[in-house]
Amino acid sequence: AQSVTQLGSHVSVSEGALVLLRCNYSSSVPPYLFWYVQYPNQGLQLLLKYTSAATLVKGINGFEAEFKKSETSFHLTKPSAHMSDAAEYFCAVSRPGGYQKVTFGTGTKLQVIP
Amino acid sequence: KAGVTQTPRYLIKTRGQQVTLSCSPISGHRSVSWYQQTPGQGLQFLFEYFSETQRNKGNFPGRFSGRQFSNSRSEMNVSTLELGDSALYLCASSLSLDQPQHFGDGTRLSIL
Repeated sequence: AQSVTQLGSHVSVSEGALVLLRCNYSSSVPPYLFWYVQYPNQGLQLLLKYTSAATLVKGINGFEAEFKKSETSFHLTKPSAHMSDAAEYFCAVSRPGGYQKVTFGTGTKLQVIP
Repeated sequence: KAGVTQTPRYLIKTRGQQVTLSCSPISGHRSVSWYQQTPGQGLQFLFEYFSETQRNKGNFPGRFSGRQFSNSRSEMNVSTLELGDSALYLCASSLSLDQPQHFGDGTRLSIL
């Protein structure tokens, strides 16, 4: 079975500071990994995806994530936080070519302090 | 390209009633998944359909059911509504089960 663990249900950063949201995965085969963002009263929006190509993946809104097999991690980063980044972020994993559902983490709420 | 459309956006029901929510996926997407999201439980997986077949099911009671039509549109039904069913219900579609999911804005269901 596959799973993801997001460390920290709430993260606070100052505007302009580095954003680091942690995600560790568990999978018996090389996985596909995703980060999503959810703004209030909206659905989830795909930020970026890793599908076994480049290990450093760049997404929308200046976010990027690095796949580290040795650490089974896929942390999301952004060099400089903006007020508009305040939202909830979800990490997710799927099994390539499989029929297992995409599995989501429990989410991390990001607060940006002016 | 139109996104995932969920109707209605808001719904108010009373306990004991039943409700049907609708989801129109992105054109060409054959996989549709449903999620329940609440402040207390977070994002919980309900079920997933691919080419009209239910492929995966979450841990919800039998009051929650769904189906997918030949045009990939999907509906979910909740019977005998309970106060605890108040939630945001999200639908997501994808090309296949392992691909990124595209979400609708959800249906906000309130039970009085």
